[in-house]
Amino acid sequence: DAKTTQPNSMESNEEEPVHLPCNHSTISGTDYIHWYRQLPSQGPEYVIHGLTSNVNNRMASLAIAEDRKSSTLILHRATLRDAAVYYCIHTLGNEKLTFGTGTRLTIIP
Amino acid sequence: ETGVTQSPTHLIKTRGQQVTLRCSSQSGHNTVSWYQQALGQGPQFIFQYYREEENGRGNFPPRFSGLQFPNYSSELNVNALELDDSALYLCASSLGGLQRQNIQYFGAGTRLSVL
Repeated sequence: DAKTTQPNSMESNEEEPVHLPCNHSTISGTDYIHWYRQLPSQGPEYVIHGLTSNVNNRMASLAIAEDRKSSTLILHRATLRDAAVYYCIHTLGNEKLTFGTGTRLTIIP
Repeated sequence: ETGVTQSPTHLIKTRGQQVTLRCSSQSGHNTVSWYQQALGQGPQFIFQYYREEENGRGNFPPRFSGLQFPNYSSELNVNALELDDSALYLCASSLGGLQRQNIQYFGAGTRLSVL
């Protein structure tokens, strides 16, 4: 199974940037790196994905290391609504997502 | 709002009973995946259906079974319920095929309690 390593928890102040790290040393050359988040009492929500280059969308940015063995999800200006569990996943194919325990992000007002 | 709907939202069953959970996928999506999420854990893959055929299965016993219908909605059936089956069951829809980007859109889940 595709395994990633993330810190169990992180805290950040509201309106400040947040950098969520992930190690994925077993990633293969064609795997995409995905980030999902799960707000309380909801299903996981897609955040962003990438292959080799850094990626930006309206929710976040994804910085991928040159060797692709790690990545960082960047929330540019955290709000209370960003408090969630964030999951980093690399996909072996189209058949499943392998979730770890993720990083629980707490936003301090 | 992902457009993926699951029913019921909550369910209480007793050990040994059978349960059916339902999922309507997002419009245009032909693939449905089911996940089990125990309290405090990440979701665990049960199986996936692509165009009405099972397309991959996780480490779950045969008493977990499923169906996908021509409109791409899906059911998850669990027979002979055990206490450990108590969990949040999540359905996710995606546009399957050979593409590897595999963005999945999740419903809010069905909370199953087995007493």
